[in-house]
Amino acid sequence: EIVLTQSPATLSLSPGERATLSCRASQSVRSYLAWYQQKPGQAPRLLIYDTSIRATGIPARFSGSGSGTDFTLTISSLEPEDFAVYYCQQRSSWPPLTFGGGTKVEIK
Amino acid sequence: EVQLVESGGDLVQTGGSLRLSCAVSGFRIGDYEMNWVRQAPGKGPEWISYISSLGGTIHYADSVKGRFAISRDNANNFLYLQMNSLRVEDTAVYYCARVHRVGELWFDPWGQGTLVTVSS
Repeated sequence: EIVLTQSPATLSLSPGERATLSCRASQSVRSYLAWYQQKPGQAPRLLIYDTSIRATGIPARFSGSGSGTDFTLTISSLEPEDFAVYYCQQRSSWPPLTFGGGTKVEIK
Repeated sequence: EVQLVESGGDLVQTGGSLRLSCAVSGFRIGDYEMNWVRQAPGKGPEWISYISSLGGTIHYADSVKGRFAISRDNANNFLYLQMNSLRVEDTAVYYCARVHRVGELWFDPWGQGTLVTVSS
C-alpha cells in the first residue's frame, strides 16, 4: 500500500499570502497524484489531478507540481474561501487508492 | 446538473447491517466506474470500494473486505453498498463518488454523504 504523508498538518496564513502544501509518497506514484479541498460539512472537491491539471472551474491561483514521491500544491494568493483542509490522493498503484492525512489551512 | 445523492445511513448496533444507496442524475451511471469513500469523524477520506462500469470488476479495501458488497443498477442509475457485520470503527460519513473520467481514478463528483453510526 502506498502511504501519502502530508505536511505541515496545519498552515496558519493570512489572506493574500502564498500557501505551499507538501505530499510525500512512500514509493513513486509517477504523476498520478491529485489534490482535493474540503470545507466543513461538505464533501471533498477535486482541485488538481495528474499532478498539475486543474479540474473544471478551479481558479488559476491553485497549482500543482512534483513527480515520483514529492508533490506540492501551491495557492499563490489566499482568498477567504481557500481556508479549508486539503488532501492528496494517488491512483498509481491500487487497490487500495489512498489519501494523505490532510493539511488544514487556517486563518492566522 | 450532475448529482449524486446518498441515503440509508443510520444508527446501528455492532454486528448489524445496513444498505446504502446512491441515486445518480445528470449522467448515465453505466458510462462510469463508481466508488464508495468514507470519512470517520475528524479523519481523512478512506477509499473502501470500486466497481467498474458494467460491474465486472470490483475491489475493496482490506478494512471492509468480506463484510461489505458494492453493486450497481445501471438501468435505474443507482449504486449500492451492502454493509454487514458492522463494527464501531465503521462509523463514518459514507460518500459515493464517480470517477473523473473513464479509467482515471480521481473522485469527481461526490455526493453529500450519509452518516453511519455503529454503537456498541
